[in-house]
Amino acid sequence: AQSVTQPDIHITVSEGASLELRCNYSYGATPYLFWYVQSPGQGLQLLLKYFSGDTLVQGIKGFEAEFKRSQSSFNLRKPSVHWSDAAEYFCAVGAGGQAGTALIFGKGTTLSVSS
Amino acid sequence: DGGITQSPKYLFRKEGQNVTLSCEQNLNHDAMYWYRQDPGQGLRLIYYSQIVNDFQKGDIAEGYSVSREKKESFPLTVTSAQKNPTAFYLCASTRGGSGDTQYFGPGTRLTVL
Repeated sequence: AQSVTQPDIHITVSEGASLELRCNYSYGATPYLFWYVQSPGQGLQLLLKYFSGDTLVQGIKGFEAEFKRSQSSFNLRKPSVHWSDAAEYFCAVGAGGQAGTALIFGKGTTLSVSS
Repeated sequence: DGGITQSPKYLFRKEGQNVTLSCEQNLNHDAMYWYRQDPGQGLRLIYYSQIVNDFQKGDIAEGYSVSREKKESFPLTVTSAQKNPTAFYLCASTRGGSGDTQYFGPGTRLTVL
């Protein structure tokens, strides 16, 4: 069965510091991988996604993620965090080859940014 | 602008009442989804529909019902059989292709009084 693990429930980073949010997945075939961000009381916004090809994926707001098949990971990174990045971040995996199936989400990582 | 709308934003229900949450999209997407979000639990799938007049149960369908009579609409009814309905409910849609990005609505917060 597919699953997603986000090991860090809450992370605090200083403004201007680098950020890495961890995501590990379990899936038998090549997965479709996503990172979403959610501000309090809002819906989810897509940051980036990986389907195939280049394992380093660029997203919006200066975020990037790297797919590492050997480690079953898809960690999200940002070189310099801004106060507006404080939010909850979700990693998700989709079943490749199955049209219209739902995503499996991790439990999320809450990012706090200190000044 | 294309997007997904959910209404109402806040909903209060007395125990024993059924309530219906609205989800409408004008993206011409075929597939639509309902998720429930609880603190620290991530998003859990309630129901999804890949095409009009067809839908499938997700992981936590008990106490919920849906309909898909129109492509753009996928309402969710929270019935009195749902033991703990207080949560944040999110609707999403995709074109329906393999691995398509899911676009989310702004959510409805349901509170049982």
